[in-house]
Order: sequence, then C-alpha cells, then structure tokens
Amino acid sequence: DAGVIQSPRHEVTEMGQEVTLRCKPISGHNSLFWYRQTMMRGLELLIYFNNNVPIDDSGMPEDRFSAKMPNASFSTLKIQPSEPRDSAVYFCASSWGRGGTGELFFGEGSRLTVL
Amino acid sequence: GENVEQHPSTLSVQEGDSAVIKCTYSDSASNYFPWYKQELGKRPQLIIDIRSNVGEKKDQRIAVTLNKTAKHFSLHITETQPEDSAVYFCAARGSARQLTFGSGTQLTVLP
Repeated sequence: DAGVIQSPRHEVTEMGQEVTLRCKPISGHNSLFWYRQTMMRGLELLIYFNNNVPIDDSGMPEDRFSAKMPNASFSTLKIQPSEPRDSAVYFCASSWGRGGTGELFFGEGSRLTVL
Repeated sequence: GENVEQHPSTLSVQEGDSAVIKCTYSDSASNYFPWYKQELGKRPQLIIDIRSNVGEKKDQRIAVTLNKTAKHFSLHITETQPEDSAVYFCAARGSARQLTFGSGTQLTVLP
C-alpha cells in the first residue's frame, strides 16, 4: 500500500481564497482524521470520521472550515475564505477501528501558506 | 476531554547518553499511549506504544513506561545517536476514543 496520500503537498494562496485539501486513506482503514500542526499549538485534531461518518468535529476552528468523506477512499478539508492564521501543515491520518484503535498512519501533510 | 502534557519541550544530549521524555494525562479511562517521532519536514511516525495493562515495553534502544496510578508515562532512549534527533510526541487515547497529542519534545543529539 502507498500509505495515506495527501494533495497538494504545498499550497500558497491569498487571503479570501478557497482552499481544498485532499486525502486518500490506506485501503481497509475505516477511521480518518484531519490534524493541523503549528509551532504555537502543536498537533490539533480538527475532525475524525468513522465509516465515512463524522464522529467528532469539535476541533474545527470555525464555520470557515468544513470536511467531507463521500466514500471510504476519499476525504476533503475545505477552508473558505482562507485567512493568514490558517497557515499550517495539515495532516490526514487513518487507522483501523473506531477512534483510532489501531496504529495511526499519517500522510506527508499539506503545507498551507495564506498570504 | 483528555489533556496531555509533555516535558521537556527541548532536550539536548551527548551522543551515547540516554534521553527521557515525560508525559502526564488527565483521563483515567485512557488505555493506549503511543509515541511518535517526527523528523524535520516529515510526517509523524509511530515508534512504540503501550497499553494500559502493561507497565513497560521495550524495543531495542527504546522503552516506554506507564504508571496508571500517577497517570504518567515516559519514553526512554538509550545510547542515543545523531539520527535520533527529531521531535517526539506522546499521545493518549481517552474515553472520547481519539488520540490527544502532547506538545512535542525537540531532541537534539550532539556528536
């Protein structure tokens, strides 16, 4: 398996633009997580899905953020409109089991810069 | 929810010495405690984990200890090497069933 695949790896955009980050989890994994990593706040859980259903989105900062998982092999994290404070590395991770019972595998991350 | 605190935030050791990183957690229902290593510009990767029915686990130069009564767990790296230099994150899975991460420790192994 190629592991968790994220795209784009790098995104530079201007304030106010829409940003869409994509993730393909490891085949057979049924839990998917979106994390945000910054120097100030470390690794923050934004949302997680189990069997394509959002279970906990309490970490989503505000209404500008939304996430979907239309099927077991694809998820998106959208920011609209983007702001400079959204600049961070966004990691997608997947595991087997509810709530990450099994080992959590991270993607390479998407580095977002909002100017 | 779960709260995980990690210390120290930075740690420098001489090559060959040992390194210890400590974490405390708040949710007494937590039952799974993994440690992740993140090299610069890379993804976090699992290096060792321990479950609540075990007090200690070892894998070559890496060991983790768990004290459920005190709600703390530690990572021990012996005979450190330059390639051990990275950021290390502890995590705990509590009653909310998702992992909560500590703030990370930047370990630098000096040659």
